[in-house]
Amino acid sequence: QKEVEQNSGPLSVPEGAIASLNCTYSDRGSQSFFWYRQYSGKSPELIMFIYSNGDKEDGRFTAQLNKASQYVSLLIRDSQPSDSATYLCAVNPLGYSTLTFGKGTMLLVSP
Amino acid sequence: DTGVSQDPRHKITKRGQNVTFRCDPISEHNRLYWYRQTLGQGPEFLTYFQNEAQLEKSRLLSDRFSAERPKGSFSTLEIQRTEQGDSAMYLCASSTGTFGNQPQHFGDGTRLSIL
Repeated sequence: QKEVEQNSGPLSVPEGAIASLNCTYSDRGSQSFFWYRQYSGKSPELIMFIYSNGDKEDGRFTAQLNKASQYVSLLIRDSQPSDSATYLCAVNPLGYSTLTFGKGTMLLVSP
Repeated sequence: DTGVSQDPRHKITKRGQNVTFRCDPISEHNRLYWYRQTLGQGPEFLTYFQNEAQLEKSRLLSDRFSAERPKGSFSTLEIQRTEQGDSAMYLCASSTGTFGNQPQHFGDGTRLSIL
């Protein structure tokens, strides 16, 4: 059973703060990791993907991957109320062609 | 660049009826995936196609479910004899490549409600 675990939240941060979202996965051979943002009632929107250990930055978003610890995180700098959404972590296990999703972490950014 | 398109956006039907959903992927994407999402859960994989070939089906895909992708273009997902438990958001995604490591882009989904 390939599992992806996320804290369901909500994670509450004030506007302008850094939001840190975390995800752990069970399949040590996993190679590809994705973060999706999902607004209530909408479909998931891809915001970041990472394949190698370390950090990957894109604008206000930074994805961090530590394969030894089977841990992937998403940092959102200068959080805005419009960032309030559920953030889904998805993993592509080795040898599989599909994604395994976590249940998502709800982020609330207060003005 | 046109995104993934799904139709209809919403479907309300009575238990026992058949329903069919359509997905048009991003034009240059050879892979097409179907997922199901219920409230409070992440999307759960149902099946995927590489071009016209259906390469994998989840255990979630009972024999009441069938999917096609004729000519490797659009895809349809049919649910026969719908049950209350089929109420969910049905999501289609597409990607490039021949492995599962390429980013998948989702359509807006079809929300199915069973009365």
